[in-house]
Amino acid sequence: AQKITQTQPGMFVQEKEAVTLDCTYDTSDPSYGLFWYKQPSSGEMIFLIYQGSYDQQNATEGRYSLNFQKARKSANLVISASQLGDSAMYFCAMREPYSGAGSYQLTFGKGTKLSVIP
Amino acid sequence: DTAVSQTPKYLVTQMGNDKSIKCEQNLGHDTMYWYKQDSKKFLKIMFSYNNKELIINETVPNRFSPKSPDKAHLNLHINSLELGDSAVYFCASSLQGRGAYEQYFGPGTRLTVT
Repeated sequence: AQKITQTQPGMFVQEKEAVTLDCTYDTSDPSYGLFWYKQPSSGEMIFLIYQGSYDQQNATEGRYSLNFQKARKSANLVISASQLGDSAMYFCAMREPYSGAGSYQLTFGKGTKLSVIP
Repeated sequence: DTAVSQTPKYLVTQMGNDKSIKCEQNLGHDTMYWYKQDSKKFLKIMFSYNNKELIINETVPNRFSPKSPDKAHLNLHINSLELGDSAVYFCASSLQGRGAYEQYFGPGTRLTVT
């Protein structure tokens, strides 16, 4: 079973509008972290935002916010006031303990390609 | 100042060759990783080293051998390259623990096997 599911392979949004990118996750561990990364066409991976499983409030970083619904196991990324430079692939990822090694690994979803229309 | 650097950025080689990709981080992180991103953009972890010790070794052919000479370096050596090895390989680093320790990624190495 997939640990991270991003159901939207591609999304379009008008410039200056808000957009929500969906992410659901599956874990039995009570302690986990959720990350969003952006990958523009140039290829680099850029960290955007983090939400810990015990965090009471939704994370926000500038125009990015994470809509964390723990009971539904969803961690959607909201981008407000979209800009042309937001056009990129967006990856949701979950950090959870790596079994037996006392360490943690990051599992990525398949990504959503966001295109911002002028 | 480059946080995580990889060399080379592009690598074109023929089947059967042996090649290496180098990675260095200057962030003082204790854990480094290698990821493979396939043609469909799926990113999957291959290896992870913590303080020079291998801690994650996913199902990867043993033609792939990571080597960590010190905490700041994690190199990837690939023997007998195959067509299916063509991908973008990312090095990353982070601190280890339960906190908000995001992974910092290098720029990637695009490997093309012909």
